[in-house]
Amino acid sequence: EIVMTQSPATLSVSPGEIATLSCRASQSVSTNLAWYQQKPGQAPRLLLYAASSRAPGIPARFSGSGSGTEFTLTISSLQSEDFAVYYCQQYNDWPPITFGQGTRLEIK
Amino acid sequence: QVHLVQSGAEVKKPGTSVKVSCKTSGFSFTSFGISWLRQAPGQGLEWLGWISAFDGNTDFAQNVQGRVTMTTDTSTSTAYMELRSLRSDDTAIYFCARMGPLRGAFVPCDHWGQGTLVTVSP
Repeated sequence: EIVMTQSPATLSVSPGEIATLSCRASQSVSTNLAWYQQKPGQAPRLLLYAASSRAPGIPARFSGSGSGTEFTLTISSLQSEDFAVYYCQQYNDWPPITFGQGTRLEIK
Repeated sequence: QVHLVQSGAEVKKPGTSVKVSCKTSGFSFTSFGISWLRQAPGQGLEWLGWISAFDGNTDFAQNVQGRVTMTTDTSTSTAYMELRSLRSDDTAIYFCARMGPLRGAFVPCDHWGQGTLVTVSP
């Protein structure tokens, strides 16, 4: 099973600034990595797939990079609606599909 | 528009079973698969398993294998997840999510249901 590890657990950033979230895989997942955003009381929403491709309707301020075992989600010019929990997920080698434990992005 | 609409909240006794439905619309159901996931209170996301609406293949997470059944009804474009021998630690929000139709396909969970709260309590 591929273990996904996200850091930091909580990130405090001011609106308008840049947030950088990290995700590490225990073995290579190529670029078969997705990022999800989850707000309280809502289902997760797909933000990025294939490590760097934005899902339909996702603003350009969300970008992703990385391959193999190291990945980054960058949110530029944070908006109020961006404060949420973010999960990475590998779908390179499944079953099982595995997620990171999440990063909570909070307002500083 | 793609929609996945799940059945309503359930309260169950330990040892009983629950069956959650996920009715889909807006896409060709048999061209995709459906994963089931859950989220315990205050916790992260846990994948439970996947079923292909294309060929009926299934895969399950080890910790629920033997207790879970996943089925599809292609006539109504609906997926079902039944979890048996419920325990208190099965209390969670259960989600369905659309994925690819083939085992191991490089397709993420691109659309999700709204979630179904299952509470297991004596």
